[in-house]
Formats: sequence, structure tokens, C-alpha cells
Amino acid sequence: RKEVEQDPGPFNVPEGATVAFNCTYSNSASQSFFWYRQDCRKEPKLLMSVYSSGNEDGRFTAQLNRASQYISLLIRDSKLSDSATYLCVVNMGYGGATNKLIFGTGTLLAVQP
Amino acid sequence: EPEVTQTPSHQVTQMGQEVILRCVPISNHLYFYWYRQILGQKVEFLVSFYNNEISEKSEIFDDQFSVERPDGSNFTLKIRSTKLEDSAMYFCASSINAGGIADTQYFGPGTRLTVL
Repeated sequence: RKEVEQDPGPFNVPEGATVAFNCTYSNSASQSFFWYRQDCRKEPKLLMSVYSSGNEDGRFTAQLNRASQYISLLIRDSKLSDSATYLCVVNMGYGGATNKLIFGTGTLLAVQP
Repeated sequence: EPEVTQTPSHQVTQMGQEVILRCVPISNHLYFYWYRQILGQKVEFLVSFYNNEISEKSEIFDDQFSVERPDGSNFTLKIRSTKLEDSAMYFCASSINAGGIADTQYFGPGTRLTVL
């Protein structure tokens, strides 16, 4: 089983649509969780951290289910500028000096006008 | 807004040559990382560095790779004898602390390494 697994897409959606991405992770000892966004040939940029209680940032909502080892990202009212690859990222670190990020392969979103 | 910077943006080298990729982490960060991304593949962890020593490394980070913080600002990745399969985008990242949700890693723009 892959450490972090995502549907690669592509997801082609019209502007204004709501789109949901899912991710599963294999290691139950994982400590923290993130969604990063990566534009073509650019660096990953943090979109949002994911908390057990769920969290929202404007049009973006992230959920974490530790029991199912499942993470989700919901984007409402999609904009053309949301077109990118969305990376599900898991951090094994818990204090101390190790802080390795494990990335999924990413889900490609293309928002159409 | 502080950011991680990397030089060069693109490095072309011949197989067997040594390359040094340079990074300037965010100034108050204490933890430094290198990741790589082969074209079309996922981002992969290479190494983490704290308090002037490697804290963790992946299987990819073999004897051909080394990291160094030669002064108070730069963080370098050296590949001693490059192979064709080392061609990738190399990202440097830094964080204030390690572990936990608050310890976000910020990525530099990357160096595209092409080995001919």
C-alpha cells in the first residue's frame, strides 16, 4: 500500500463548481496533515493544515478522519485560478529533530471557464 | 514576506560531474530539508538537517549526496558524481521547528538539474 494515496485525476470542472479530493495514508502513527498546492513546474505551497476537528479557510474545507486514515479537501465556488495539482501531505514527525513530509502523487484540477 | 531562495534555477551538467545546489532558508528557521521531484512523479524527501547535522535521510540519499551549512545563511546539497537518474527538480525547505501542525515547511522555487 502506498504511504499516501490520491486519485491523480484530472478533475475537469466548470467555474463555480464544488469539487472534493480524497486521500488515504497508510501509517497510523502519522502526526500532522496538510494540503499543498503545486502549479506546473513550481514549488509546493501550503494551502492549509488539516485538523481532526476539520477546518475551513474561505472556500476551502479540510477534514481528517484518523480512524479511517482519510483526509479530504473540499473546494467551493471553483475559480479559474484554482487550477493546479493538489498534494496530500503527511508528516511523521512529533517533536524532536525529524520532520519528514510524505507526499501523495497529487490530484490535478482543471477549472474550465 | 520571508521566503526560501535557491540558486541556480537551472543547472545542466555532464554525467559524472559534481554539482552543488544552494539554498538560503528563511532566516529564523532552524530545520532545513532537501526534497526532489522527478518530472511527472511525486515529491520525495531526501534529507533533513538540524543543529549542523543530518537528522534523517532517505534511501535516495546515498554516499553520492552530502549537505552542508557552510555559513550562517547558506544550506547546500552536493552530488559528487551525477548520474542520468539524478535529473530532477530539487527543492529546499525550512521550518522553525520540527513536528506538529504548527511547524510548516516552506519550500524554495527549486533548482532544475539536468544531467546529460
